[in-house]
Amino acid sequence: DTAVSQTPKYLVTQMGNDKSIKCEQNLGHDTMYWYKQDSKKFLKIMFSYNNKELIINETVPNRFSPKSPDKAHLNLHINSLELGDSAVYFCASSRPENTEAFFGQGTRLTVV
Amino acid sequence: GENVGLHLPTLSVQEGDNSIINCAYSNSASDYFIWYKQESGKGPQFIIDIRSNMDKRQGQRVTVLLNKTVKHLSLQIAATQPGDSAVYFCAENEGQGGKLIFGQGTELSVKP
Repeated sequence: DTAVSQTPKYLVTQMGNDKSIKCEQNLGHDTMYWYKQDSKKFLKIMFSYNNKELIINETVPNRFSPKSPDKAHLNLHINSLELGDSAVYFCASSRPENTEAFFGQGTRLTVV
Repeated sequence: GENVGLHLPTLSVQEGDNSIINCAYSNSASDYFIWYKQESGKGPQFIIDIRSNMDKRQGQRVTVLLNKTVKHLSLQIAATQPGDSAVYFCAENEGQGGKLIFGQGTELSVKP
């Protein structure tokens, strides 16, 4: 009964490729997020969606395009992957915005 | 600004001792704070939270203290156990679409 699940867990790809990471939450939350964790474990928000509507776009390159087909899903598509995109990407969700966020297990993206 | 920081990047304690992890935040307008625990290969896991109208909150073996005057947050873990070994993050919520600003993280190691 995973609350926030994301796939794949590991993703290795070549520079220039396009890839997607999927996220689903079964908590009934209205708000979903994508965070990026770099090699120094620093966590930074990328996007926030509330009920399928984009709320936050934290100056992420437009090669990154989130898509929310419904409020239980928030996928992340990345075009023209670069070496610097290598990181762990976490999906999260929360009830109203000012409550704790529940995180998925992460997707470790390695661009070679 | 994004300056939620931790004073100590690593902390090593003996099993059974109490642990204290500190965090400084910069936005005095932040009204909600969370501590997360992240084990290797996993996503951040909620430990405890506190709102700005409180200065102390207790959970099971954990206590969070908030000092708004100096913008300081701490996490106290009583009778630290080997299973507590992880990276601990503080995060502040500025109220902008649920955006969490994370601190640098403190790696807690518990020696048996």
